[in-house]
Formats: sequence, structure tokens, C-alpha cells
Amino acid sequence: QVRLQESGPGLVKPSETLSLTCTVSGGSISPYYWSWLRQSPGKGLEWIGYVYHSGTTFYHSSLRSRVTISVDTSKNQFSLRLTSVSAADTAVYYCARETYDASDYLYFDSWGQGTLVTVSA
Amino acid sequence: EIVMTQSPDTLSVSPGDRATLSCRASQSVSSNLAWYQQKPGQAPRLLIFGASTRATGVPARFSGSGSETEFTLTITSLQSEDFAVYFCLQYNNWRTFGQGTRLEI
Repeated sequence: QVRLQESGPGLVKPSETLSLTCTVSGGSISPYYWSWLRQSPGKGLEWIGYVYHSGTTFYHSSLRSRVTISVDTSKNQFSLRLTSVSAADTAVYYCARETYDASDYLYFDSWGQGTLVTVSA
Repeated sequence: EIVMTQSPDTLSVSPGDRATLSCRASQSVSSNLAWYQQKPGQAPRLLIFGASTRATGVPARFSGSGSETEFTLTITSLQSEDFAVYFCLQYNNWRTFGQGTRLEI
């Protein structure tokens, strides 16, 4: 059974860059899509974007100018970088795997347990 | 963006009861809807995808139904471990989530 584990700093200063890594165990990065999401009290669950095992990415329009998601297949990891953070970026960040259903639509089938990132000076 | 609205926000039930949770989409999402269970400090767990297909290992007391804009998650014979937050996800047009329903004793 695949397991995902987020790691990274729990505290980031305003205007700096948030960086998180998701380590995948019990399965391969290929041939899946891998996503980052976040959950904050004010906005609920929000999908940030995904990276395919080949490196192809897609980002939510609201964060596209500040987000980079990358993959390292040799380490079975993928990462999130969010630049110019503010208090509004304080949230629990989740990584998740996406897989296709019978109609060829992607959905999240496995999640990490999440990591709280607080943006504060 | 498709808005997903769950009701009720909180549902109080007793072990052994039946719970019915609803999820409504602001426009049709076909059958591209999933349900998840979330407990504090744990990874969300996939219960249902394709509106009605149970994920591997999910007990038969969990069932999903609906299509287009109206969806239901039904849990029969509630067990103590079922008390959690449940949220829906539409994945027909990108991905948006409901706000969650808390199932409490």
C-alpha cells in the first residue's frame, strides 16, 4: 500500500518561500500524477496543482504565478515551492496521488497526513 | 469554478444508526464525485469514487449514490470508528471540495 509523507519547515516568514517535500513509499512515482493541496479554516480544501511522473505540471489559476511543483523519480519524491508567502498561506498542506477512474478522470486515491505551515514573522 | 455544498454541517447520530450525508454541485459533475473520511491527524481516506464505487477495503456499510448535481453518502449500522468528518470532491472540472460534514455521536 502506497504511503505519502510530507516534510518541511513548519514556520515561514512573510515574503519568503515555502518549500515542502512529499516522500512516496510502498509504490513508484511512475506512472501517476502527484498533487499538492491545502486546507485552511477560511477556505476549506484547495487543490494547488499536480506534477506527472514525466515532469509535466498544472497549477490552479489562483496560485499559478507563485507555485512550482517538481518531481524527483530517483528519490521517489515530489516537491512544492510557494513564493512570496503571506498569512493567507497558513494552512495544513497535503500531498496526494491521483489515479484514473473508469471514465479516464483523475481523482485522489491516497493522501499524506498533512503538515501545518504557519506564515509569521 | 464549481461550488460543492454539503449538508448538514454536523450530523448527530448514535452507533448502530443510519447516516445520510448530502453533497450538491453548482453545476453538473456527471458521476465524477468522490467521498473521503478524515480523522484528526490522519490522512484523508478514500471511500467512494465515481459517485458509487467503493474503494478497496471500504466496508459495505458505506454506499454512494447520485449523479449530475445531487449526491448522497449513506452509512448504515454506524460503528464507533465511523465518527469523523466526511467531504466530497468533484473531479469533473478540475477539482473542488465540499466544506465537510462532521458526524458526531
